[in-house]
Amino acid sequence: ETGVTQSPTHLIKTRGQQVTLRCSSQSGHNTVSWYQQALGQGPQFIFQYYREEENGRGNFPPRFSGLQFPNYSSELNVNALELDDSALYLCASSLDPANNEQYFGPGTRLTVT
Amino acid sequence: RKEVEQDPGPFNVPEGATVAFNCTYSNSASQSFFWYRQDCRKEPKLLMSVYSSGNEDGRFTAQLNRASQYISLLIRDSKLSDSATYLCVVIPFSGGYNKLIFGAGTRLAVHP
Repeated sequence: ETGVTQSPTHLIKTRGQQVTLRCSSQSGHNTVSWYQQALGQGPQFIFQYYREEENGRGNFPPRFSGLQFPNYSSELNVNALELDDSALYLCASSLDPANNEQYFGPGTRLTVT
Repeated sequence: RKEVEQDPGPFNVPEGATVAFNCTYSNSASQSFFWYRQDCRKEPKLLMSVYSSGNEDGRFTAQLNRASQYISLLIRDSKLSDSATYLCVVIPFSGGYNKLIFGAGTRLAVHP
């Protein structure tokens, strides 16, 4: 196992609601990246957090936001949920932003109805 | 055009077969390359890095051709446990952070 944990495992929300997903990085890793994986697709980069700040962002709207805490754990928040937000949300940790090897947690499966 | 393209498969092969997956990428400035493996409804797991000189890890061999922007993965002596989706991953130069760009994956099914 990678040592990256995520919660909750599964979540069902209604369109328009808000959701918070959580991630604890592997020990010694100070960088957390979030990805969205729709069914049948590869994961897509949402953003990366380093030193409690957003360090890079993919093509996702502002209603996707995040936080990183002093212990390097992280949250992904999604506001105004849409049906297309239904996906597996993956958190990955790495030693630092320059390190290419990212290790994934088990993911949170979000269903929006 | 997608940044990373893979044949979705599925590749259905018998145990013991040799199978090869290919992947192409569009950004010539990409700096790092990987293969990840993903089992059904699980997270992706790093399988191996890919270098121009090629690298081998047991039954797995990965190769990068920068001129053709092409990455390959060869699996020899396939095992039932190799059944999974194989994701080609490229890291473009982003200046200050590394984001993984994934292909959609190639599904492999190894049968007895």
